[in-house]
Amino acid sequence: ETGVTQTPRHLVMGMTNKKSLKCEQHLGHNAMYWYKQSAKKPLELMFVYNFKEQTENNSVPSRFSPECPNSSHLFLHLHTLQPEDSALYLCASSQDFSGWVSPLHFGNGTRLTVT
Amino acid sequence: GQQLNQSPQSMFIQEGEDVSMNCTSSSIFNTWLWYKQDPGEGPVLLIALYKAGELTSNGRLTAQFGITRKDSFLNISASIPSDVGIYFCAGQATIQGAQKLVFGQGTRLTINP
Repeated sequence: ETGVTQTPRHLVMGMTNKKSLKCEQHLGHNAMYWYKQSAKKPLELMFVYNFKEQTENNSVPSRFSPECPNSSHLFLHLHTLQPEDSALYLCASSQDFSGWVSPLHFGNGTRLTVT
Repeated sequence: GQQLNQSPQSMFIQEGEDVSMNCTSSSIFNTWLWYKQDPGEGPVLLIALYKAGELTSNGRLTAQFGITRKDSFLNISASIPSDVGIYFCAGQATIQGAQKLVFGQGTRLTINP
């Protein structure tokens, strides 16, 4: 496998459920990102990890909890979500995040629906 | 904060027509990037621009980094059905001492055969 792989592709969950999104990159990159994509809005940066350390939390509610066990894997743990959290969640990676944001490589996203 | 105004929001064209879209801002950016998102997939980088005034081509695509560093445009010549998708501009700037990447709202391109 190459590139950035996200699973699952689609997820429907109730507001009381707990679920996790998974992202894996095979590009040898050191920085990984979670973005939220809602209709007719710019991509919203949620979290950044650089060399496994979280370097940015863009005022994301605590019901979203990221985890980066190594430079190749990134998780987004979800619990007690709200219907307005329904969106496409995109994972991305880049060479590094050392003051020069190198071009991002995106996964195909997880389409999340909160009922 | 930094904002990008991307226009048009949507375009409906005939196959074979040329396409032009742009991004503008009141802020200066150091890098401009253009991404395309096909239905059901993540955005893919098309062109990266690193210098004011730079004009770069990638096949039928041409993009320019504005001289003022506050704008960029993307042109697609002789459109074909596989050009359908959403095109995003993104600008990299220094915000509060940190490098940030800001995305436009996207231009949705629809092509009638």
